[in-house]
Amino acid sequence: DSGVTQTPKHLITATGQRVTLRCSPRSGDLSVYWYQQSLDQGLQFLIQYYNGEERAKGNILERFSAQQFPDLHSELNLSSLELGDSALYFCASSLKTGTSGTDTQYFGPGTRLTVL
Amino acid sequence: AQKITQTQPGMFVQEKEAVTLDCTYDTSDPSYGLFWYKQPSSGEMIFLIYQGSYDQQNATEGRYSLNFQKARKSANLVISASQLGDSAMYFCAMRVNAGKSTFGDGTTLTVKP
Repeated sequence: DSGVTQTPKHLITATGQRVTLRCSPRSGDLSVYWYQQSLDQGLQFLIQYYNGEERAKGNILERFSAQQFPDLHSELNLSSLELGDSALYFCASSLKTGTSGTDTQYFGPGTRLTVL
Repeated sequence: AQKITQTQPGMFVQEKEAVTLDCTYDTSDPSYGLFWYKQPSSGEMIFLIYQGSYDQQNATEGRYSLNFQKARKSANLVISASQLGDSAMYFCAMRVNAGKSTFGDGTTLTVKP
């Protein structure tokens, strides 16, 4: 158990809908990262937050947004869902900003999103 | 741009034998970190080992060691004394700045009894 929690574990929804994925980082970790893992794209970095502020952005679509709250939990919002958004969404956390060489990212169990 | 290449889609190893999973990387940044993660069929991503670009010695964590050859830009994972529970997908990853980790396509390891 990495200490990172994600809810829900599974999510099934229809095209055009909006969903929210939730992540709680390990105790004491200030950075939260979101990743998307799909069969055709592999594991893709989406976005990072550090202590409530957006820190780095990857291949995140405009239909997707995220935020980190004062208690450090984070939410990833996916809207106008398409079939291609079906994937495993991971949250990871690390102690610092991620620039330190020893700042390892620990992953949560993931949320499996299925868009029908 | 950063790139991670894992050339072995699938590998087989006999239980109790050692196995090497290949990883090559490409970056022009002199400061970077290399990571290996294990993803069992249950789906979670488990951190295994880390190597910094300035580390003089190869990293080791229990049965895992990282064979870091900087000049060749390779960071191979060596698993000694393979166990059935080692059967999983293994990902090599690199980070050169805040948050933006790049992952390889993964290698599926199957340990045979």
